Amino acid sequence: DAGVIQSPRHEVTEMGQEVTLRCKPISGHDYLFWYRQTMMRGLELLIYFNNNVPIDDSGMPEDRFSAKMPNASFSTLKIQPSEPRDSAVYFCASSSAGGYTDTQYFGPGTRLTVL
Amino acid sequence: GDSVTQMEGPVTLSEEAFLTINCTYTATGYPSLFWYVQYPGEGLQLLLKATKADDKGSNKGFEATYRKETTSFHLEKGSVQVSDSAVYFCALSYNQGGKLIFGQGTELSVKP
Repeated sequence: DAGVIQSPRHEVTEMGQEVTLRCKPISGHDYLFWYRQTMMRGLELLIYFNNNVPIDDSGMPEDRFSAKMPNASFSTLKIQPSEPRDSAVYFCASSSAGGYTDTQYFGPGTRLTVL
Repeated sequence: GDSVTQMEGPVTLSEEAFLTINCTYTATGYPSLFWYVQYPGEGLQLLLKATKADDKGSNKGFEATYRKETTSFHLEKGSVQVSDSAVYFCALSYNQGGKLIFGQGTELSVKP
């Protein structure tokens, strides 16, 4: 299996621009998670989906952030407009059943730098 | 609220030394506990887990025991290698959906 795939791996943009991060989960996994990693806040869950439906978006920092999952094999996280404080590594993860004992499989992450 | 606290890093050890990374948690329910490892430039990968009290998770020479009475899940390895250099994250999960709550991570550096 190819694992969770994320693109791009690195993104540098200027403040005010729109940024779109992409994720392809492991085939057959019904749960998809978006995390953000920063030095100040560590790893935090932004949103997760079950069968393409957003279940908990309480971690999304503000309206500038939006996430979609149009089908079982693709999800996007969009930031519009981007700000320097959005600079972070964004991880996508997926799991097969979403139970609290289940393993989440992480992608390699997208390192976002907003100038 | 629910939280995970890890010992601060960085931790620097010589090869073949004994490793302990402390992890304690606060949770309202009965969570599953995880250790994830992040190698430089990579995403996180599961190292081991335990889903109920007194369970021991183990993998690649690493071990951790779920101690409900002390709300702890300390990571240990008897003899570390240079290749174990990474950041280690303790995490808990107890909700349907599997939301993970992470500790702040502990960086381990093993010198030859």
